Amino acid sequence: QSALTQPASESGSPGQSITISCTGTRSDIGAYNYVSWYQQHPGKAPKLMIYDVSNRPSGVSNRFSGSKSGNTASLTISGLQAEDEADYYCSSYTSSDTLLFGGGTSLTVL
Amino acid sequence: QVQLQESGPGLVKPSQTLSLTCTVSGGSISSGGYYWSWVRQHPGKGLEWIGYIYHSGRTYYNPSLKSRLTISIDTSTNQFSLRLGSVTAADTAVYYCARDQRGYGSFDSWGQGTLVTVAS
Repeated sequence: QSALTQPASESGSPGQSITISCTGTRSDIGAYNYVSWYQQHPGKAPKLMIYDVSNRPSGVSNRFSGSKSGNTASLTISGLQAEDEADYYCSSYTSSDTLLFGGGTSLTVL
Repeated sequence: QVQLQESGPGLVKPSQTLSLTCTVSGGSISSGGYYWSWVRQHPGKGLEWIGYIYHSGRTYYNPSLKSRLTISIDTSTNQFSLRLGSVTAADTAVYYCARDQRGYGSFDSWGQGTLVTVAS
C-alpha cells in the first residue's frame, strides 16, 4: 500500500491562511470519513489536530479545520502564527483494515 | 491524563529481533475501547503505521511488516509490546507507541518515542 500524497512543503506569512492537501484513493480517503491530521515539531511526538475529517480534539485551536472532497482531504490553518511552523501528516483508515499516513508536509511561516 | 512510555534496547544487531514495550499509566489498558498502537519514523522521514492491538488481543498489522511482526498485550501490567524479527538497517527508526481512540487512525496520546538503531 502506498502512502497518501501530500505536498512536500508549503509556506505562508503570519496572519494568512494555508491549505495542505492529502490525496488517496477510493479505498482509503474516498471510502471513509476517518481522516486525521497531525502536527509534529522537531524532536517531538506528533500531536492530533483533526480527526474524522473535521473534528478538533479538545484544546486544539479553532484556527485548524479539516475537510474532504472525494479522494482528497485538506487541512486549513487560518491566521498563521510562528508556532504553526512544523511538519503535518494526514492519515486514513483503509478498506484493508489498515492505516496509511501521508508523506508529510513541512510548513514554513515566513 | 493517560501517559505512554516506550522502553527497550536502543541498538539491535542485524538479523536479530527488535523488542519494545510500552507502559501505560493514568488509565487501564483494558478500558475505553482503545487500540494500542506502534508507529515508527525513519530518520528524517515520515510516519509509518506498524500495527495495533485491542485489549482482547486482536491485532492489526501493516502488511509490509506482518511476516516479521508480533504485537502483544499484558493487561496485568498495563503494557503492550512490539517484536520485529530479522531486522535490517532499514528498520532503524524512532518507534512511538500511541493510543488510537477507536482504531481508525486518531492517535490522541503518544509516547515520547525511542530511537532504535540496527547495526553490528
